[in-house]
Amino acid sequence: QVTLRESGPALVKPTQTLTLTCTFSGFSLSTSGMCVSWVRQPPGKALEWLALIDWDDDKYYSTSLKTRLTISKDTSKNQVVLTMTNMDPVDTATYYCARIRYSSSWGPLDSWGQGTLVTVSS
Amino acid sequence: EIVLTQSPGTLSLSPGERATLSCRASQSVSSSYLAWYQQKPGQAPRLLIYGASSRATGIPDRFSGSGSGTDFTLTISRLEPEDFAVYYCQQYGSSLTFGPGTKVDIK
Repeated sequence: QVTLRESGPALVKPTQTLTLTCTFSGFSLSTSGMCVSWVRQPPGKALEWLALIDWDDDKYYSTSLKTRLTISKDTSKNQVVLTMTNMDPVDTATYYCARIRYSSSWGPLDSWGQGTLVTVSS
Repeated sequence: EIVLTQSPGTLSLSPGERATLSCRASQSVSSSYLAWYQQKPGQAPRLLIYGASSRATGIPDRFSGSGSGTDFTLTISRLEPEDFAVYYCQQYGSSLTFGPGTKVDIK
């Protein structure tokens, strides 16, 4: 059974750096074809893809946010970490991590964490 | 970047009715790498359809997907009470992008 769980601060101040951790089980990021992605959703708004890391440690970022994002993995701990710099109130959102399986190309996000709400406010 | 547009924004229907949701891409989605997700309030999205027309594990057969190129459709043949939710399309053929969503609510 695949499970993912996001953790991190519920509140950050403007200009601070956000660090979120995705802890997962039921698969390994050392297995060929496995990827973990981050997606966010501002309150009442649509989903927005942020970043992806694959089994080979290749990293991909949203074009609009790539200068602020860093994704990394700790395979031994089954964790993926996302950092976002220079946080702003418009970054207030629920942040999700999800699994993707790569075959001949990326696949859909087939398993999701429950999400963690991050509020940016002074 | 491929931009996805969904219509209508809101669909008001009664249980037992048929729902037809549209997703249009700004350019062709390669190999029909198009997925549909269902999201209920306070919950994470759930994968319904991938590859434009393949149902994910455990998804009832009243959900079906079709389309190719730039035009895709999610059909719910007969709405059950638990189907009232927001539905998002997403393409994964060229980076990843989501549509703005269609809310299916009770008429």
